[in-house]
Formats: sequence, C-alpha cells, structure tokens
Amino acid sequence: AQKITQTQPGMFVQEKEAVTLDCTYDTSDPSYGLFWYKQPSSGEMIFLIYQGSYDQQNATEGRYSLNFQKARKSANLVISASQLGDSAMYFCAMREGAGANSKLTFGKGITLSVRP
Amino acid sequence: AAGVIQSPRHLIKEKRETATLKCYPIPRHDTVYWYQQGPGQDPQFLISFYEKMQSDKGSIPDRFSAQQFSDYHSELNMSSLELGDSALYFCASSSRQGYGYTFGSGTRLTVV
Repeated sequence: AQKITQTQPGMFVQEKEAVTLDCTYDTSDPSYGLFWYKQPSSGEMIFLIYQGSYDQQNATEGRYSLNFQKARKSANLVISASQLGDSAMYFCAMREGAGANSKLTFGKGITLSVRP
Repeated sequence: AAGVIQSPRHLIKEKRETATLKCYPIPRHDTVYWYQQGPGQDPQFLISFYEKMQSDKGSIPDRFSAQQFSDYHSELNMSSLELGDSALYFCASSSRQGYGYTFGSGTRLTVV
C-alpha cells in the first residue's frame, strides 16, 4: 500500500488566492512526522512545513499551513495568497518512527501552477 | 548557514561507465541519505548512513554502492551505468537533535 498518496493531477490557482494541496498517509506507527517540500523547475528540494504526529496544533509557517486531520490520516497543505513564484511541484513526505534519522517516504507530488 | 553540498552538479556519462557522486552534510548532522529522482518521478530512497554505518537500505541496485567517511562526507558509486540511471540524485542530512532534513541541490546524472 502507498504510504503517501497525492492524487491531484495538477492544480491551478489565481494569484493572491488560497489553494489546498491534498495528502493522505498510511502508517501503523504512532510516532511519525509529516513534511511538505517544494521543488521548482530548477530541481532543488525546499522544506516548507513539518507536523509531528503528537502535535496538538496545526503547523504554520508564514503563508503555509498544514491542515492535519489525524483520524482521517490527512495532512493537506494550504498556501494562502498565492504568488507566481509558488508555481512548482509539491511533495508530501513522511518519516515513520520517533527517530530523527529515519528515511523520508515521498508521495508522487502535485504540480501547482499560479496564474497571473 | 552551511548547507548540504553535492558535487558535481551535473554529470554526463556513457553507458557502462562508472560515476561517483559526493555529498558533504551539514556539520554535526549524523545521518546522510541518498535519493534517486527519475524524470517526473518522486524521490526514491536508496540508502542511509548513521554515524558512518549503513542504517537503512532501499531500492538501491547492486551496481551501486555507498559509504560514509570519517569526516562524514558520503560517496555514491555507480558502476555499469545504464540509460535508466539518468536521474537527479539527492543527498540529505539530518540530526537526532532536530526533526528536519536538509537536502543538497542534487547531482543531475545523464547517461548517454
């Protein structure tokens, strides 16, 4: 079974509007971490936001927030006030276990295009 | 702040040749990971090292090997290269004291 599922084929959003990128995950480990990365066309992997499985509140980092619904096993990324520079591929990833040195497993990614 | 350094940034090799990719993690990060990302694909985990010992292994072909040295830098050695090895290879590092992973800029390998 897929550990990280990102099913949206591609997303379009108007500049300055908000957009939600979906991510569901599957794990039996009670301790895990969820990450979102942005990968622009240049290829680098840019960390956006992190949510721990025991965190009580949804994570926020500037224009990025994570809508964490533990019972549904979903960790959707919300980007507010989209900018042209937000056009990129977005990956949801998970680390299983409490150890900070466990590997990340990535979803297939979602392409976001911001229209002027 | 120091980041994860990968070299070279770009590499072109012919089929059946060998390639060596290098990764210099963030100082005091104790774990290094290697990922392979094919065109239009998600990054696939290859192998990781914790304190210079192999800690986990993913879908790494037998033609590939990796190690971490005493100065914590890591090298990914790839032999008998195939066209399908053309990909972006990422190195990342992490520390037990934190939760984050820092990725290098990647090495783009093209096999012709």
